[in-house]
This record gives sequence, C-alpha cells and structure tokens, in this order.
Amino acid sequence: GAVVSQHPSWVICKSGTSVKIECRSLDFQATTMFWYRQFPKQSLMLMATSNEGSKATYEQGVEKDKFLINHASLTLSTLTVTSAHPEDSSFYICSARGDFGAEQYFGPGTRLTVT
Amino acid sequence: RKEVEQDPGPFNVPEGATVAFNCTYSNSASQSFFWYRQDCRKEPKLLMSVYSSGNEDGRFTAQLNRASQYISLLIRDSKLSDSATYLCVVNKNTGKLIFGQGTTLQVKP
Repeated sequence: GAVVSQHPSWVICKSGTSVKIECRSLDFQATTMFWYRQFPKQSLMLMATSNEGSKATYEQGVEKDKFLINHASLTLSTLTVTSAHPEDSSFYICSARGDFGAEQYFGPGTRLTVT
Repeated sequence: RKEVEQDPGPFNVPEGATVAFNCTYSNSASQSFFWYRQDCRKEPKLLMSVYSSGNEDGRFTAQLNRASQYISLLIRDSKLSDSATYLCVVNKNTGKLIFGQGTTLQVKP
C-alpha cells in the first residue's frame, strides 16, 4: 500500500514554455503533499507544502508565481513550472502523507530538462 | 550552516566491510529522524527510523544522540547492492522533512 505515482517521469521542453507535473496517491487519500527539487549531487530541497483544498505554502526563495501548485483532490496534486528556463532543469519529486501517520511516501520523480 | 550535515564521501569499501556514516543536525527541536536510501536517478526510500535507544534492522544499526545532535548509521557485512546514497533526514516539529546532502557508498567486489 501507500503508492505514489508521478507523471511524466521525464520531460524535455523548450525555454519559455510551461510544464505540468502530476502527483497521485494511488491507494490512499493524501491530505498533504510535498514538492521537492533535487539538483545533481545535492540534497532534496522542499519547495512547497500543499493541503487539499487550500493554497500551497512555499519555502523561502521559491517563487510561487513560477511554480504553481494545485491540490484540488485528496489524490492529486500538480506542479506547473511556468516559463521554464534551463536553470529550472532538475529532478522534481513529490511525496504524500495521509491522515493515518506522519510518514511521507515518495513518488518516483520527474526529470525536467529545459533546452 | 546547513540544518543537516553529512560527509558526502564517497566511501569506497570492499564487500563484507563494516562502514559507518555520521550526520549532525542543528535544530534541537527536531522531533524524529530517519535514514533514507537513494539510488541513482531514483526517489529516496525509507531505510529506517532512528530512535534514541538505538535500533537495528538486520545488518543496519542506527543511533541517535540528542545531546550531541548526532545521528549514525552502521552497515555490517556490506553487499554490492548496498551501493547507493544514504540520506540523513530530520523531521522538524512542523512536519517537514529536512534532507542532508547524502553520503555516497560504493561497495566493491
């Protein structure tokens, strides 16, 4: 149980375009979802926390107008990277937490390359 | 100063060796602690939680010293399949996970 999927697993896009990444909890209801970013040889950095039906809370230094997060249902959260630039190329990972415990379950990640 | 600090390594050890990783954290209010394993280009996976009394799971032993704000992971009888990056993770009282940079382990035949 407690499976989280992400789609797409990898994406290549041109500079200036927007990319949407989906995160789904497949067998549980995710009251909270987290979005992380990981650059090569660096740690996962939390970008934002989202609770179903409310606005996401962004970490310091993360532009909320650039990284749009929607958590419209208990099983789906989306991250849209708007007007992507090459420096946005990274590994984006979501995690989900249900109301049954504190553990976060991670999705397999999405590798974004902006050319 | 980073909230969670780890020696990035890499640690290169022969099969069968015992290897230990250390981690320090800066926020004394941190509530819970974990070791995650991350394989190349994959998501992190929970290896084990870390308790003050110390805990063991097969070849893996984790220790927590709250006074020194120090966490350790010991791997005995290393296997080739243990090659990965090991992430020290702290759960702040906000529920957020703070990840260390990770320590890379390479087990050689």
